[in-house]
Amino acid sequence: KNEVEQSPQNLTAQEGEFITINCSYSVGISALHWLQQHPGGGIVSLFMLSSGKKKHGRLIATINIQEKHSSLHITASHPRDSAVYICAAPYSGGGADGLTFGKGTHLIIQP
Amino acid sequence: DTGVSQDPRHKITKRGQNVTFRCDPISEHNRLYWYRQTLGQGPEFLTYFQNEAQLEKSRLLSDRFSAERPKGSFSTLEIQRTEQGDSAMYLCASSLRGRGSSYNEQFFGPGTRLTVL
Repeated sequence: KNEVEQSPQNLTAQEGEFITINCSYSVGISALHWLQQHPGGGIVSLFMLSSGKKKHGRLIATINIQEKHSSLHITASHPRDSAVYICAAPYSGGGADGLTFGKGTHLIIQP
Repeated sequence: DTGVSQDPRHKITKRGQNVTFRCDPISEHNRLYWYRQTLGQGPEFLTYFQNEAQLEKSRLLSDRFSAERPKGSFSTLEIQRTEQGDSAMYLCASSLRGRGSSYNEQFFGPGTRLTVL
């Protein structure tokens, strides 16, 4: 079973700050997922990436497959970015099966 | 709204009762996943289906839990003889795995919150 670790668990920052959330996993994979969960439970997929870097608006995700490490960055953070960010990797390694999740990073952006 | 629906959204039951949850995935999606999330924790994988075949189960899926996807469309998750430790949010997700694809984006439903008294 893949083990996924995230840091930090909690992060409070001021509006406009650059945010970094880190994720490491134990079993080699072909793709890693970053998800966002708002209060009330809804989970939204942000990124699925297998190499290099992806960018959506102010969000950037990077992955280093050899080091089994990924980062999620938020540029020019805004209070609406406040949410729990979760990293997830395939449960058994590889890519095409259920996910195992990190415990999440609870992000609060203060105005 | 991701297109994945779950029913009911909330369920309160007494210890020892059986409960059943339903998930309707995005219609063309061939993969369906069940996860469980307890308060303050990330979701945990329970099982997944490709079409009607159940391909993988985690050790969390005890013999009191059973999942089905009889026609490769909707799925049900049944918990028999519920225990207080079963209280959690049960999440369903679906994805489309194409031929030759080794990974796929998952779309999550809103979840069913189970409270066992």
